[in-house]
Amino acid sequence: SQTIHQWPATLVQPVGSPLSLECTVEGTSNPNLYWYRQAAGRGLQLLFYSVGIGQISSEVPQNLSASRPQDRQFILSSKKLLLSDSGFYLCAWTVNSGNTIYFGEGSWLTVV
Amino acid sequence: AQSVTQLGSHVSVSEGALVLLRCNYSSSVPPYLFWYVQYPNQGLQLLLKYTSAATLVKGINGFEAEFKKSETSFHLTKPSAHMSDAAEYFCAVTPTGGFKTIFGAGTRLFVKA
Repeated sequence: SQTIHQWPATLVQPVGSPLSLECTVEGTSNPNLYWYRQAAGRGLQLLFYSVGIGQISSEVPQNLSASRPQDRQFILSSKKLLLSDSGFYLCAWTVNSGNTIYFGEGSWLTVV
Repeated sequence: AQSVTQLGSHVSVSEGALVLLRCNYSSSVPPYLFWYVQYPNQGLQLLLKYTSAATLVKGINGFEAEFKKSETSFHLTKPSAHMSDAAEYFCAVTPTGGFKTIFGAGTRLFVKA
């Protein structure tokens, strides 16, 4: 069966520090991968999605970036965090258009 | 561009009462539509989805939703609320043949004893 792992689960980082959140999917190949951010009271905001290795679509211009170095690995990064980057980050995957999106358990990021 | 609007950020019902959570979408062609539920500090899990088959879709935990093209709506209902239904509910849309899934702002459901 397919599983998705996302880490770290919680993170407290100072303003201006770097960020790396990692997500891996097991039990499937060539998934579509997503990073969403959930800020308090603001629903889920699509940040990036990827349909293949090295293919990244950015939805929101900001100081975050994403990379897909391997088929089932998706990394969210920042060189310098801002206070506004705080939130709950969710990695997700799906196989085909219209299929269910499966979410990881999320990563809580607090920038202080 | 597609979008999703959920009317009401908070909905409160009594246990045993009807649950109605509203979702309207904007898309040039009928998209795929989903409802997800999120319990505190967890990821999202699928309740049900519409993929151009039957317009009335039944999901888990007694929830169902009806796709109405003329109203561009996909409202979620449950005949009788249970305390365990208290959670946040998200409507989502994916364009037919596309990969970009957009979520609504969410509706938090409170169930009163």
